[in-house]
Amino acid sequence: DVKVTQSSRYLVKRTGEKVFLECVQDMDHENMFWYRQDPGLGLRLIYFSYDVKMKEKGDIPEGYSVSREKKERFSLILESASTNQTSMYLCASSPGPPWDEKLFFGSGTQLSVL
Amino acid sequence: GDSVTQMEGPVTLSEEAFLTINCTYTATGYPSLFWYVQYPGEGLQLLLKATKADDKGSNKGFEATYRKETTSFHLEKGSVQVSDSAVYFCALRTASGSARQLTFGSGTQLTVLP
Repeated sequence: DVKVTQSSRYLVKRTGEKVFLECVQDMDHENMFWYRQDPGLGLRLIYFSYDVKMKEKGDIPEGYSVSREKKERFSLILESASTNQTSMYLCASSPGPPWDEKLFFGSGTQLSVL
Repeated sequence: GDSVTQMEGPVTLSEEAFLTINCTYTATGYPSLFWYVQYPGEGLQLLLKATKADDKGSNKGFEATYRKETTSFHLEKGSVQVSDSAVYFCALRTASGSARQLTFGSGTQLTVLP
C-alpha cells in the first residue's frame, strides 16, 4: 500500500517563527500536493509539484513556499507564521497521468500558531 | 470557475438508516467526479468515482450516479453503520485538467448512532 507520511501530527508555533512541514511518500509518485483543511471551507490547494524541483502555485499560495529536492519528499514552509495559518495541513501524492488516478493522503498535521 | 456544493452538515443518523448526501457542481466541459471519505484522525481516501455521464460509482455499499442534466453526484447508502461515521467530501476534476485541477466541496460530517 502507498504510504504518505507527515512528520508531525500536532505542532504548536509562535507568530513570526519559520515553520517546516515535511511529507514523504514511498511509491515513486510524480505528483505531490499540499492542502489546508478548514471547517466549512473544505480542502484548498496551497502548492503542488509534478516533478523534482518543479512546483506550481495552487489557490492560496500567499505566505507559503515549498521545496522538492527529492522525488519522495515535499516540504511546506511558512516563512513567518501568522495566526491565520492555524489549520490542518494535508499532504497528498499521486502518480502521473491519467489524472483520474486517486490521490493518496497523509493523516495530516494540525498546526496551531499562537 | 469550477465549484462543488455539498449539503451542510452535520448529519446524524441512527444505525441502518438511509443516507443521502447531496452534491452539485459547476464546471466547464465534462468533469470526473469523486467522493472521498475522512475517518477520524486519518487522511482522506477515495471512496468512489465516476468519469462520465450516467456512470455509477460504488464501493462499500455507497453509490453515486453522475447526473449531467442536474449537475449532481449525490452519495447514497441504504443502511449506514456506526463505522461509517466520518467526513465526506465531493470533488471534481475537469476533463482538460492537470494534476492541480481537483476541486473539493466543503465536506459533510456524518455521525451514525447505535
